[in-house]
Amino acid sequence: ELKVEQNPLFLSMQEGKNYTIYCNYSTTSDRLYWYRQDPGKSLESLFVLLSNGAVKQEGRLMASLDTKARLSTLHITAAVHDLSATYFCAVDIRYALNFGKGTSLLVTP
Amino acid sequence: DADVTQTPRNRITKTGKRIMLECSQTKGHDRMYWYRQDPGLGLRLIYYSFDVKDINKGEISDGYSVSRQAQAKFSLSLESAIPNQTALYFCATSDRTGLAGGNEQFFGPGTRLTVL
Repeated sequence: ELKVEQNPLFLSMQEGKNYTIYCNYSTTSDRLYWYRQDPGKSLESLFVLLSNGAVKQEGRLMASLDTKARLSTLHITAAVHDLSATYFCAVDIRYALNFGKGTSLLVTP
Repeated sequence: DADVTQTPRNRITKTGKRIMLECSQTKGHDRMYWYRQDPGLGLRLIYYSFDVKDINKGEISDGYSVSRQAQAKFSLSLESAIPNQTALYFCATSDRTGLAGGNEQFFGPGTRLTVL
């Protein structure tokens, strides 16, 4: 059974600080996706990582993929309140995506 | 207009009732999916369809059925709703070619279902 584990599941951080969210998975896959969900809203695609060593950046967020370690990271730089949301990683299992449980991020002043 | 739409957006029903959730998309994608989201559990796959004639069970298909009426329409039914089916339901689509974006999925706005 494929397991996708995110940590931490809850994160409260101050504005201006840096932090990393980790996504570990238990099966071979070279494709991984990050999504953002605001409360009561749908999922918005953030990053598509399609190979080992892939790195994508958008604003204060940077995602990377290490397929050998079966690990993806989502790094937050100089957090701002607008980044408060739940972040999901999802592993591509060819016929669908297998999601982690999500990391609820709260950025406080 | 949104590329992936779901109706209804909210529904409250009683145990034992039959419920249908509908999903339509204008993205031209072949693949469609139904997920449910429960607090603290992430999203879990209920059913997926790669084309009109291809329907497959996902991780948690018991108690659910689906119909792919056309390339653009994928419906989820609860034949006899029960309270533990109370959840947020999402429809998603992806492009079968998967070349540029892999299996990147695009989600509808969700349907919040409450079964009393």
